[in-house]
Amino acid sequence: GQQVMQIPQYQHVQEGEDFTTYCNSSTTLSNIQWYKQRPGGHPVFLIQLVKSGEVKKQKRLTFQFGEAKKNSSLHITATQTTDVGTYFCAGTLLFYTGTASKLTFGTGTRLQVTL
Amino acid sequence: NAGVTQTPKFQVLKTGQSMTLQCAQDMNHEYMSWYRQDPGMGLRLIHYSVGAGITDQGEVPNGYNVSRSTTEDFPLRLLSAAPSQTSVYFCASSERGSATYEQYFGPGTRLTVT
Repeated sequence: GQQVMQIPQYQHVQEGEDFTTYCNSSTTLSNIQWYKQRPGGHPVFLIQLVKSGEVKKQKRLTFQFGEAKKNSSLHITATQTTDVGTYFCAGTLLFYTGTASKLTFGTGTRLQVTL
Repeated sequence: NAGVTQTPKFQVLKTGQSMTLQCAQDMNHEYMSWYRQDPGMGLRLIHYSVGAGITDQGEVPNGYNVSRSTTEDFPLRLLSAAPSQTSVYFCASSERGSATYEQYFGPGTRLTVT
């Protein structure tokens, strides 16, 4: 079954408000990737985190990887209408690397931003 | 570069029919994979390949076959379509023979099985 869960499933914010989505894995991850999918589009890579406790920023987006490498978060400061879409985390389970490598996607968080 | 291309964009099948979803990439990527996306389920891995001639099963392989005879192409075959296979199918590729690199997704194929 699904081993990577995301909360919330859906979030509706007013433009300018902050937004956070959380990603939780039942097992230790080798790495975590984040993707954004616009309505009707395909997932687009945002970033990858590899180290325990890693924090990376992309303009208004802040990504964190937990110390135990089982959870991650994406925080958007001062949302804009261009942030609308579904945000997915995806991880490679620690014991499935190399030729056994598989990416397990989270369930996604759909973000709606209104003026 | 065209990136990752998928054909067709839309397809309607009757139960029991077979078909092949095409996926091609022109980036010389080693790793290619197929996902299906259903509402509330995220993307689930069907099959993947770490290089030409090598394929393996993902999370939901039943009812699907793949082959990888060239680096560029990774077709997905539905053997006998069922309504449960109604979904959006995405093909993806990445630079090395591993999922631990940025995945490039194709535009998707929306499949309806009646």
